[in-house]
Amino acid sequence: SQQGEEDPQALSIQEGENATMNCSYKTSINNLQWYRQNSGRGLVHLILIRSNEREKHSGRLRVTLDTSKKSSSLLITASRAADTASYFCATDPDDYKLSFGAGTTVTVRA
Amino acid sequence: NAGVMQNPRHLVRRRGQEARLRCSPMKGHSHVYWYRQLPEEGLKFMVYLQKENIIDESGMPKERFSAEFPKEGPSILRIQQVVRGDSAAYFCASSPSGTVYEQYFGPGTRLTVT
Repeated sequence: SQQGEEDPQALSIQEGENATMNCSYKTSINNLQWYRQNSGRGLVHLILIRSNEREKHSGRLRVTLDTSKKSSSLLITASRAADTASYFCATDPDDYKLSFGAGTTVTVRA
Repeated sequence: NAGVMQNPRHLVRRRGQEARLRCSPMKGHSHVYWYRQLPEEGLKFMVYLQKENIIDESGMPKERFSAEFPKEGPSILRIQQVVRGDSAAYFCASSPSGTVYEQYFGPGTRLTVT
C-alpha cells in the first residue's frame, strides 16, 4: 500500500489565492519531500523537510511536518496559472526508496 | 550538466511485443532507480541498480520485467511480451549515492500497449 496519501484529490482555486494540500503517511520517516508534476511531464523536486524539522519555506511554498500525527501540509501562496499541476508527497520508509501518494491535482483559474 | 535522460519519450507496442526503455543518469551518478506510474496514481518503486549490480528489485513484477545497468551505457528496463496493463509512465531517477535525498528524475517514458 502507498505510504503517503494526499488530500484533497483535486483542488480548484482562483489566481492569487492560496492552495493548501495535506499528506498523511503510515510509518516513521527520515524525510518527507514534495514534488510537482505538470501534465504529461516528469517530476520536479520542490522541497525536502527532515523529520526533526517542523516547518520549511522556499519562495511561495511553505511545508509543515507533524511527526506525531504523521502528516504534512504544502501551502502555495499567491497562486499563479503556472502552478497548475499535480503535487505529490514522497516519504522514505527505506533509505533509497521513495514512496509516493496518488497526488493532489491543482487547477489555478485565471 | 545535462539532467537524467530517458528515451524514447513515447513508446507504442502491440500486445506480445517487447519494450526497451533507456535511462542515462546524470554525469557522475552511479545509482539508478526505476519507478512506474499508472494512470491517476503516484509513482511506485520498481528497482534500484548500481553499475553492473541489482541492489533491490522488490518492486518489479516477477515475470516479464528485467533491468540492467551495465558498466558502459544506459540503464535498460526491459518488458517482454507486453500486456495492456503495462501501459504506464516509467520514470528513471539517478543519484550520486544510494539515498533518497538526491534523486533526480528524468522526463519519463510513456508506454502504450495496444
